[in-house]
Amino acid sequence: GIQVEQSPPDLILQEGANSTLRCNFSDSVNNLQWFHQNPWGQLINLFYIPSGTKQNGRLSATTVATERYSLLYISSSQTTDSGVYFCAVAPRVSGNTPLVFGKGTRLSVIA
Amino acid sequence: EAQVTQNPRYLITVTGKKLTVTCSQNMNHEYMSWYRQDPGLGLRQIYYSMNVEVTDKGDVPEGYKVSRKEKRNFPLILESPSPNQTSLYFCASSSPRLGGYEQYFGPGTRLTVT
Repeated sequence: GIQVEQSPPDLILQEGANSTLRCNFSDSVNNLQWFHQNPWGQLINLFYIPSGTKQNGRLSATTVATERYSLLYISSSQTTDSGVYFCAVAPRVSGNTPLVFGKGTRLSVIA
Repeated sequence: EAQVTQNPRYLITVTGKKLTVTCSQNMNHEYMSWYRQDPGLGLRQIYYSMNVEVTDKGDVPEGYKVSRKEKRNFPLILESPSPNQTSLYFCASSSPRLGGYEQYFGPGTRLTVT
């Protein structure tokens, strides 16, 4: 099955710093999503981005489908950005489309 | 507000006592599924449903049942819970018809079986 690798596994930032999280995947995908799992366990949808670039406030994401990677940029980080960031992909548009999750990047933003 | 809701959010129960975790979505999505999240194992799909009365097994279906009698609801049933079903459970929904199929997740249900 499709493999998803995220890097780095852990990241500690000073408040206000910028960061880039990376997601590599092993096959063509029709769905790629970034999630933030907050300390309470909730999975927050950040981006649906099977290709291209999107921005939402201090966060932006880019997926280069032909090279099978995606990047999540966090600018001017805040303590509320702490948590685990997951990249998840699915290879098909129809039928059962379970998302395959990476192991995540655990981000800690310190004041 | 478009959302997926789950209840209860937290549950502590004992081995063998049947329980149901409800999931409801208000987006008219055809596709719904259940995942469990465990340390070191990530998120794994339990069951999924392509539409009303259409359900099938995911990667880890043992010990679980589901039903899809209405489009908006997809309850997860544990007939005889065991401690190895202690986990964080997520319900998700999406609609492939709408040109792309972003999956939306519920807030999670933290289940402890003693």
